Amino acid sequence: EAQVTQNPRYLITVTGKKLTVTCSQNMNHEYMSWYRQDPGLGLRQIYYSMNVEVTDKGDVPEGYKVSRKEKRNFPLILESPSPNQTSLYFCASRWTGAGGHGYTFGSGTRLTVV
Amino acid sequence: SQQGEEDPQALSIQEGENATMNCSYKTSINNLQWYRQNSGRGLVHLILIRSNEREKHSGRLRVTLDTSKKSSSLLITASRAADTASYFCATDDRSGNTGKLIFGQGTTLQVKP
Repeated sequence: EAQVTQNPRYLITVTGKKLTVTCSQNMNHEYMSWYRQDPGLGLRQIYYSMNVEVTDKGDVPEGYKVSRKEKRNFPLILESPSPNQTSLYFCASRWTGAGGHGYTFGSGTRLTVV
Repeated sequence: SQQGEEDPQALSIQEGENATMNCSYKTSINNLQWYRQNSGRGLVHLILIRSNEREKHSGRLRVTLDTSKKSSSLLITASRAADTASYFCATDDRSGNTGKLIFGQGTTLQVKP
């Protein structure tokens, strides 16, 4: 089954403790992206990657890092999490169809930083 | 910045009724897409309409696009309780060539059995 897999699904951590949210896709998509979703602010792009070893900042990159060492994986790293990074996070990979591009999303990671 | 603005923010209907959601956007687009999100879950792609199309159907979904008004509507016919979800329109970011999709704030639809 074509899918984007994120782990963990839920995570509670303390301020300053480094964490990694993993993301993997099995569709051989080149483009992958991370979004965070917050009430009243909608979905905002954190980072994206056009291909292996090519990453760039989205709209809200502060406090996050990413890497893209292989096509299928695009982990999101929080070096020193803070409470304002409490959010619902989504990884997505982009497909190309007849009409243009669309996204396949992971199931989300609900992160709480205390 | 939010490209898409959706209206209404919330909609509550009875099963069997039709649900209409509207989306407005600000810049020129290649296409417009609609996604569904069940509570706290990932977004699921529903339908994509190209900028040169005016109407598109997929099952019980009907999407219209008016590029002169920079607006789109999503109609769900004969709604079911399982259609209860949030619905988002999304457009591509043509300005920065980032491949980014810009999402509206969404319409929360409740379908009562």
